[in-house]
Amino acid sequence: GDSVTQMEGPVTLSEEAFLTINCTYTATGYPSLFWYVQYPGEGLQLLLKATKADDKGSNKGFEATYRKETTSFHLEKGSVQVSDSAVYFCALSDIQGAQKLVFGQGTRLTINP
Amino acid sequence: DAEITQSPRHKITETGRQVTLACHQTWNHNNMFWYRQDLGHGLRLIHYSYGVQDTNKGEVSDGYSVSRSNTEDLPLTLESAASSQTSVYFCASSETANSYNEQFFGPGTRLTVL
Repeated sequence: GDSVTQMEGPVTLSEEAFLTINCTYTATGYPSLFWYVQYPGEGLQLLLKATKADDKGSNKGFEATYRKETTSFHLEKGSVQVSDSAVYFCALSDIQGAQKLVFGQGTRLTINP
Repeated sequence: DAEITQSPRHKITETGRQVTLACHQTWNHNNMFWYRQDLGHGLRLIHYSYGVQDTNKGEVSDGYSVSRSNTEDLPLTLESAASSQTSVYFCASSETANSYNEQFFGPGTRLTVL
């Protein structure tokens, strides 16, 4: 079945550092790919998405490119802030699965001032 | 503003008791989902619904049931709570069933089964 694998956390960085959180997926079809973010005590909210190969999703300085050849959707940000501290989830939605989201295990990110 | 709410936010219950978690959305979305969040597993789909009177099993549906009598609500029932069902539960909704559509999540319910 479909699956998503994220890099192990937790990740701790200093403010203004470069961030990469790796995400790879396995899917039988052509999934849409998402990054969701969960701030402390809150539900998940969509950070960005990409729906086809070579699409780049971007939001709040975060970017991720849909790489079909490497089945990856790595999250990047050039300069992180303390307010970016959260748990980040990579997810896919396969067209065959009618929008049932499959999530990675989540990566906890802590940014120190 | 439209929103999705869950109640209660925190619940402690005993093994064997029936528990119902409420989910209410004012987006008028057709699709609603229940997930559980456990350390090391991310979120896993329990049940979902594409409209009134429609319910479907997800990846981890054993021990759970849902019913959809109107567009706004999808309550999740644990028939006989077990310690393995201690988790954080999230409800979500979306407008259509297209794979690229965003799901909107509620704030979660933390359930402890003693």
